[in-house]
Amino acid sequence: GAGVSQSPSNKVTEKGKDVELRCDPISGHTALYWYRQSLGQGLEFLIYFQGNSAPDKSGLPSDRFSAERTGGSVSTLTIQRTQQEDSAVYLCASSLESSERGNTIYFGEGSWLTVV
Amino acid sequence: AQSVTQLGSHVSVSEGALVLLRCNYSSSVPPYLFWYVQYPNQGLQLLLKYTSAATLVKGINGFEAEFKKSETSFHLTKPSAHMSDAAEYFCAVSGSYIPTFGRGTSLIVHP
Repeated sequence: GAGVSQSPSNKVTEKGKDVELRCDPISGHTALYWYRQSLGQGLEFLIYFQGNSAPDKSGLPSDRFSAERTGGSVSTLTIQRTQQEDSAVYLCASSLESSERGNTIYFGEGSWLTVV
Repeated sequence: AQSVTQLGSHVSVSEGALVLLRCNYSSSVPPYLFWYVQYPNQGLQLLLKYTSAATLVKGINGFEAEFKKSETSFHLTKPSAHMSDAAEYFCAVSGSYIPTFGRGTSLIVHP
């Protein structure tokens, strides 16, 4: 696709429910990132994929969070047993290769999650 | 290890005035540096990036930034602010495979 696509754009869920957030990166981009942005906060790194593998999961805040990437393309971030503190914008980004070579990372418009 | 500090969570300027958003970084390897802009309810959009080709980098919408190694800074400037520049601005550093972002600076432009 032309850009990074995320769905749903908005999600309201009840506390305790599971949610899945989807990211479709730019075609051909091998690196994929998930970040979380809470109100008034910066970007919090969650997880990084290179191809289908996730060499760095260090940012996942708890074991309720998991992510996978299949076919070197689409990624899904799953939050189990959602809590109110999970309310945030979840941003997905991709780049041609990993950013250590200065590759620009391109962001989607985010999935706004509200847990009530 | 790498980190970014953006000085000032909010910067307020009058339309037509100089815009200066400050960013200082630390990195254990030669860094790549980025400025992104986020308009309300949108994702982040690249304004400009430094990749060691030139210390003064020009970006979109009239913005530019200068890499100063001795000061470990990468401040963003624009000579004359427009109302449409009101947004959140993020500085980022990347020397590893995961870019690190600052906490952001909200630019407010008064008529």
